[in-house]
Amino acid sequence: DSGVTQTPKHLITATGQRVTLRCSPRSGDLSVYWYQQSLDQGLQFLIQYYNGEERAKGNILERFSAQQFPDLHSELNLSSLELGDSALYFCASSVGQPEPQYFGPGTRLLVL
Amino acid sequence: ELKVEQNPLFLSMQEGKNYTIYCNYSTTSDRLYWYRQDPGKSLESLFVLLSNGAVKQEGRLMASLDTKARLSTLHITAAVHDLSATYFCAVDSFGNEKLTFGTGTRLTIIP
Repeated sequence: DSGVTQTPKHLITATGQRVTLRCSPRSGDLSVYWYQQSLDQGLQFLIQYYNGEERAKGNILERFSAQQFPDLHSELNLSSLELGDSALYFCASSVGQPEPQYFGPGTRLLVL
Repeated sequence: ELKVEQNPLFLSMQEGKNYTIYCNYSTTSDRLYWYRQDPGKSLESLFVLLSNGAVKQEGRLMASLDTKARLSTLHITAAVHDLSATYFCAVDSFGNEKLTFGTGTRLTIIP
């Protein structure tokens, strides 16, 4: 158990819908990262927040957005969902470089 | 754009044998990470390699880093079934904490 929690574990929804994924980092970690894992794209970095502020952006679609709240939990919002958004979404947290990022259990999203 | 390549993509080994997974990256990087992922599960941190020549060992796994060659290796000694998993290397750089992952090596240990 990494200490990072994510909810829900599974999510099944329809195209065009909007969903919110939630992540609570390890105690003391100020950085939260979101990654998408799919068979065709592999593991892709989406976005990083540090202490409530966006710090880095990766291959995140405009339909996706994220935020980190004062209690340091983070939410990833996915809207206008498409079939291709079906993937495993991981949240990770860290105290910062050079310490590793610790990954949560993931949310498996299926868009039908 | 930083690219990270692993080989082989798939590896089937007999128990008791030794093998090495290779990780090449395209640009200068300060740190290299190895992760393990079991099917349908999360990623577990194995090693963090911070400098040229760094070597770390845990049980039957040993990782090394050659920053000049932009190469890291994960060596498996006397493989056992419990090591069956997918292994990823990942790279970031100073001031940029985004991890760029390799394609992963799916390791299957056959009794």
